[in-house]
Amino acid sequence: DGGITQSPKYLFRKEGQNVTLSCEQNLNHDAMYWYRQDPGQGLRLIYYSQIVNDFQKGDIAEGYSVSREKKESFPLTVTSAQKNPTAFYLCASSIGALRDYSNQPQHFGDGTRLSIL
Amino acid sequence: AQSVTQLDSQVPVFEEAPVELRCNYSSSVSVYLFWYVQYPNQGLQLLLKYLSGSTLVKGINGFEAEFNKSQTSFHLRKPSVHISDTAEYFCAVSRISYSGAGSYQLTFGKGTKLSVIP
Repeated sequence: DGGITQSPKYLFRKEGQNVTLSCEQNLNHDAMYWYRQDPGQGLRLIYYSQIVNDFQKGDIAEGYSVSREKKESFPLTVTSAQKNPTAFYLCASSIGALRDYSNQPQHFGDGTRLSIL
Repeated sequence: AQSVTQLDSQVPVFEEAPVELRCNYSSSVSVYLFWYVQYPNQGLQLLLKYLSGSTLVKGINGFEAEFNKSQTSFHLRKPSVHISDTAEYFCAVSRISYSGAGSYQLTFGKGTKLSVIP
């Protein structure tokens, strides 16, 4: 079955440490997204990528970095500059991210829960 | 800019009773509308979407939603809920950003937690 795989499911970060969250999709989608979810806050966009080797900042990109070296992979690094990293992180993908695809739904992984030690 | 308001953060309802989860949006242009459901510790799953045409949209699990352009609303309804419907529900609109290559993004509401009481 096609889908999005996020790993690990739970992750703990020490002070001053960078951690990387994995996101892999086998849906052959061009666009991929990272969201942060906090209780009562809905989903907020961190970064998105329309195509390989390209990515754009979302609404809350500070303290995060991404790469898009392969179509199926979009890892997110939570850097030590992110002072409040405790949250549920969701990765998503869609067929495309250009305006012609604005009627296409996004497909989500099962998330990674990040906590501070 | 687009925004989405989900008017109730929590909705308790007895099993087999009807339920309505309210969603209002604001936008200066036409939008596409979506409802997603999230079960505990899982990702989001698409329930239904409104793109154009009939204002009453049917989705999975017996849910439906009605688009009302004059009231800028997209309320989600189910005539008879089941225990398994207990989850958080998110309303979302697609917006077109003119940064870069004209990409689009989803704007989400803050969610409504539906609790079905046996």
